[in-house]
Amino acid sequence: QQQVKQSPQSLIVQKGGISIINCAYENTAFDYFPWYQQFPGKGPALLIAIRPDVSEKKEGRFTISFNKSAKQFSLHIMDSQPGDSATYFCAARGMDSSYKLIFGSGTRLLVRP
Amino acid sequence: DAGVIQSPRHEVTEMGQEVTLRCKPISGHDYLFWYRQTMMRGLELLIYFNNNVPIDDSGMPEDRFSAKMPNASFSTLKIQPSEPRDSAVYFCASTKERGWDNEQFFGPGTRLTVL
Repeated sequence: QQQVKQSPQSLIVQKGGISIINCAYENTAFDYFPWYQQFPGKGPALLIAIRPDVSEKKEGRFTISFNKSAKQFSLHIMDSQPGDSATYFCAARGMDSSYKLIFGSGTRLLVRP
Repeated sequence: DAGVIQSPRHEVTEMGQEVTLRCKPISGHDYLFWYRQTMMRGLELLIYFNNNVPIDDSGMPEDRFSAKMPNASFSTLKIQPSEPRDSAVYFCASTKERGWDNEQFFGPGTRLTVL
């Protein structure tokens, strides 16, 4: 069964620090790796995404690092802010063009002021 | 655009009752997904539709769950009969087929509590 394993389950970071969340996948037949952000009481929303032919993608304070050989990818939040406190989900989509996403288990991030 | 609309936002029912959750996708989107979110199992895909046709329902937990999409602007997820273990937040999401970077837009969810 296709899986995406995410760690840590929870993370506490001081304001201004770097938050790092890691994901690993088992199946190589994925072609799209998005990260979603979810605030309490809201639905997940796309934060940033990467293709497997790119090793890094940066959007503002958010960076995805992708290691195809290790089948791992991570989200880095630079200069973390209290407003970044949310649950973050990594995901992967199969190459079958189904647009179906397999989500990781989520990481609850708390940024202390 | 108003985004994905779900109703009701909260539903409390008793075991054995029928529950119907509703979703209106973003206009022009041709994929619709139903997810269930719990602390134990995370975010699970239940079923998804393409152009109103169910494509993959392998995530539907059992025959008590059914989903329909009678037209491009409306979908329902029905649980009959409901059980306490069905308590979860149910999300609907939609996307438009446009290439590799298609974004799934999630609704606000329906929090279901089965007593």
